[in-house]
Amino acid sequence: QKEVEQDPGPLSVPEGAIVSLNCTYSNSAFQYFMWYRQYSRKGPELLMYTYSSGNKEDGRFTAQVDKSSKYISLFIRDSQPSDSATYLCAMSGGAQKLVFGQGTRLTINP
Amino acid sequence: DTAVSQTPKYLVTQMGNDKSIKCEQNLGHDTMYWYKQDSKKFLKIMFSYNNKELIINETVPNRFSPKSPDKAHLNLHINSLELGDSAVYFCASAGTTNYGYTFGSGTRLTVV
Repeated sequence: QKEVEQDPGPLSVPEGAIVSLNCTYSNSAFQYFMWYRQYSRKGPELLMYTYSSGNKEDGRFTAQVDKSSKYISLFIRDSQPSDSATYLCAMSGGAQKLVFGQGTRLTINP
Repeated sequence: DTAVSQTPKYLVTQMGNDKSIKCEQNLGHDTMYWYKQDSKKFLKIMFSYNNKELIINETVPNRFSPKSPDKAHLNLHINSLELGDSAVYFCASAGTTNYGYTFGSGTRLTVV
């Protein structure tokens, strides 16, 4: 069993829809939770960063962490075609070693 | 002004050859990494250096040897390339107070 599980999709939604992406994990030592966005043939770029449990909002993006359930989510409101990418969750226990999920491939259809 | 730059972007080579990938960061970060991304987009850590010192060495064949001449550079040398080494290799760096990495754009290695 992988430390971090993420449904690879693909996920396809119409423009303007609310997108929900999520990951589960098994290592209770994880405290730092991140979401990365990766466009085709590019490197991952940091989208959201959360420490411990709770919510964090940045524009159309909201990250949620539920440590009791070992479950993290990323919500995208008013999705745009430019949001089409692979979204990777990542987490760490503080040793600066990030463990990534497999990534979910998302397509927003105009 | 690229923050983390890798060269080359593409590398096609025959089995058995030796090749190197170079990485440089201009962010002043202390820690640099090599990650391998397979065809299913799964990113897996290979090595990590902090200020030229090796701190993470995952289960990687010893045909892979990282070298960090200074904290801004981290290179990866691969001996006796195998078909299974085909993947995208990403370099990344991180500062001491930010657990988010900055990634390079990747080196797409194809072994034929």
